[in-house]
Amino acid sequence: QKEVEQDPGPLSVPEGAIVSLNCTYSNSAFQYFMWYRQYSRKGPELLMYTYSSGNKEDGRFTAQVDKSSKYISLFIRDSQPSDSATYLCATKKTSYDKVIFGPGTSLSVIP
Amino acid sequence: NAGVTQTPKFQVLKTGQSMTLQCAQDMNHEYMSWYRQDPGMGLRLIHYSVGAGITDQGEVPNGYNVSRSTTEDFPLRLLSAAPSQTSVYFCASSSPGSPGSEKLFFGSGTQLSVL
Repeated sequence: QKEVEQDPGPLSVPEGAIVSLNCTYSNSAFQYFMWYRQYSRKGPELLMYTYSSGNKEDGRFTAQVDKSSKYISLFIRDSQPSDSATYLCATKKTSYDKVIFGPGTSLSVIP
Repeated sequence: NAGVTQTPKFQVLKTGQSMTLQCAQDMNHEYMSWYRQDPGMGLRLIHYSVGAGITDQGEVPNGYNVSRSTTEDFPLRLLSAAPSQTSVYFCASSSPGSPGSEKLFFGSGTQLSVL
């Protein structure tokens, strides 16, 4: 079993839709949770970061972590064609620990 | 700032050849890592380092060696290339324990084909 699971998609939504992306993880020792966005043929870039459980909002993006169910979510409001990318969830146990990524979900936002 | 620099961008090898993928960062980051990315598999960690002289294995270390003699450089060596090592390789670095430290800075990637 992979430590981080993610539905690979592809996910296709119309412009303006609310998008929900999800990950599950297996190790309760994970405390740091990140979402990265990767455009085609580019390196990933950090989108959101959360420590422990709770919500974090940044513009159209909201990250949620539920440690009791080992569930990580990213919500995108008013989705735009420029949001079309692969979204990777990532996690680690401590600040100095290795970062483990999920397999990524491919998102297409259709104009 | 250059950030994380990876060379080469593209490489074709024959089975059995060896080569080194170079990674350098100019941000004085303690943490450096190598990932490979294959379709449907996401980023899989090969090796990582939390400082000069310290390295550790990730999820898929077999067939790869690393060393960290300086803070800036973290080369990845393929000892005897195999077709299964055909992939896109990313180097990433960060500065754990400092503000904004959770951000991994990625290089632009190396596309490797092993024939």
